[in-house]
This record gives sequence, structure tokens and C-alpha cells, in this order.
Amino acid sequence: LAKTTQPISMDSYEGQEVNITCSHNNIATNDYITWYQQFPSQGPRFIIQGYKTKVTNEVASLFIPADRKSSTLSLPRVSLSDTAVYYCLVGSHSGNTPLVFGKGTRLSVIA
Amino acid sequence: NAGVTQTPKFRILKIGQSMTLQCTQDMNHNYMYWYRQDPGMGLKLIYYSVGAGITDKGEVPNGYNVSRSTTEDFPLRLELAAPSQTSVYFCASSYSGQGRDNEQFFGPGTRLTVL
Repeated sequence: LAKTTQPISMDSYEGQEVNITCSHNNIATNDYITWYQQFPSQGPRFIIQGYKTKVTNEVASLFIPADRKSSTLSLPRVSLSDTAVYYCLVGSHSGNTPLVFGKGTRLSVIA
Repeated sequence: NAGVTQTPKFRILKIGQSMTLQCTQDMNHNYMYWYRQDPGMGLKLIYYSVGAGITDKGEVPNGYNVSRSTTEDFPLRLELAAPSQTSVYFCASSYSGQGRDNEQFFGPGTRLTVL
């Protein structure tokens, strides 16, 4: 499984765009990149998943450069309710090996 | 759909006691997982199952046992509780491990304290 590195914490003011970058230098050809969000006292929930270029949904955008050695989760105009831990997971979609959650990035949004 | 349900929500155990954490999903998912999360840390995989009758160890299986006799249920057993097992336990399920179907749905968690 590809090892991921992401910042331990980030602070942002309300209304700003937040970009969280994840490094995954040894990503394999079959690996996808998945991001989860975890609020305090809750289990994580899926945000977005991608393989290359850009993916956008109603919650976030995911930017993946051509070499796929990193990815950036972009949260537009954050609010206080976006305060959470964000996990970047990288793994193959073939076989049975589960994805591994790291320590994640703790995002604090300030009023 | 109730999704993934876990019982109990909270439990205090004495050292050496045993207990079973219950997990049930009603989404007909094949894959089920047990994680533990220590304060301020990420999730660590304890055990997982890719279908009824099939289980496999994760990163931190020592001190735990699981069984998967039905698609819906995936109980986690602690035989001899130790203070190091004080943690929040999350159960999750996914339809498969492949493609978009590997999205994991999590239960609300069980907060366990061992004294």
C-alpha cells in the first residue's frame, strides 16, 4: 500500500478556500486516491475519490497532477462546520486489501 | 435503512473482563471492518471480513477476535480486557473493495474504557 504524508493540522478563517495536500510518492498504477472527513465523536465519511486530473462534487474538488505523486483536496469557502479531520487514503481497487487510514489533517476553521 | 449500527455506545470494563461489541449493517454489504481510534490519533484496522465466513487480520489484531456468520453481523470480541484497549471502536462496511464500491460507511462508534 502506498504511504501517504499530509500536514498534521491547518487553520483557516471562514469563507476562505482551503487546500490540503497529500503526498504519495510510491503510488501504484492501479491505486485510487480517496478522501474521508471525520467530525468529532463520529466515524469518518467519504468525501471524494479520483484517479487522475480533477474531480469535483458538491462538497469538494480533488486535484491530481499527471505524475499522481500527490493530490490536493480543495474545500471552497469553508465554514465553522468544516472543522474536522481529513484523511487521504491511497490503495488499489483490485484485490481485497483494505485502505489504511493515517493520522489525517486536523482542520480548524476560525470565525 | 439504518446503515451501520453499533452497540453499546459506551462501556466501562475492569481489567480481565470480556465483552463483545456488536455491529450490524442493513445495506447488504459484503465487506465489514473494525477500527480502533485512540485520542488524537487516526484509525487503526483491527480485523476485516470480505464476506460471511471469511475474516482477516488488520494492523492491530492482538487481543481481539471476530466472527462473520452472516452478511449483516460482524461482532468483535475482547477476551481479557487491558487498559491499552481503552479506545473508541468503529465498525464500517462497504459493498466491495473495488472501484467506487469500496466507499466505507461507518457506525457511530463504541467508547470503551478499561480500568
